[in-house]
Amino acid sequence: DTEVTQTPKHLVMGMTNKKSLKCEQHMGHRAMYWYKQKAKKPPELMFVYSYEKLSINESVPSRFSPECPNSSLLNLHLHALQPEDSALYLCASTLQPVANYGYTFGSGTRLTVV
Amino acid sequence: RKEVEQDPGPFNVPEGATVAFNCTYSNSASQSFFWYRQDCRKEPKLLMSVYSSGNEDGRFTAQLNRASQYISLLIRDSKLSDSATYLCVVSQDQTGANNLFFGTGTRLTVIP
Repeated sequence: DTEVTQTPKHLVMGMTNKKSLKCEQHMGHRAMYWYKQKAKKPPELMFVYSYEKLSINESVPSRFSPECPNSSLLNLHLHALQPEDSALYLCASTLQPVANYGYTFGSGTRLTVV
Repeated sequence: RKEVEQDPGPFNVPEGATVAFNCTYSNSASQSFFWYRQDCRKEPKLLMSVYSSGNEDGRFTAQLNRASQYISLLIRDSKLSDSATYLCVVSQDQTGANNLFFGTGTRLTVIP
């Protein structure tokens, strides 16, 4: 298994809804990441989990709440989002947090906030 | 100043052409360097890592110049399927985990 799997692929939610994005990998990778990508822009880092502990939080609003239940799973809980939060949310993983390996990205969740 | 700077293009080239992309990075402590390819509405996919000695993978050649903080990608004999956005990516160690910094991407269209 050489993939990062993200669900759902598409999500439309209202500003008062609570939803969660899910990311899963079974490659034994010990670092997992959430990125946000707006159209025609590069991905922007949101959170980094290293050995299941949050190690980097790039000043993301509290309406985004990450969770890493185990080494294979990463969630992003969403609550009271704004229309400007509509974007492609990408999960990525890499073998070791501080080793120089390429990252594997999931196919993303395309989120629309209405 | 941005961590990684790239010419956004677009580059429109005929099939069979050779095209080169360049990128510069600002932090001399950067550790690893990559080129990623991203197709429209898809996730970035690793194209190749970039090493100081230069490396080649088929029609693709990547070069790194640490002294100038400069990275390049050369594509020879362009194919229609090479049309995509190419992202220059630099990795830095931050508080116990690596962070990737992305350039804005260079859009390539290969024309029949």
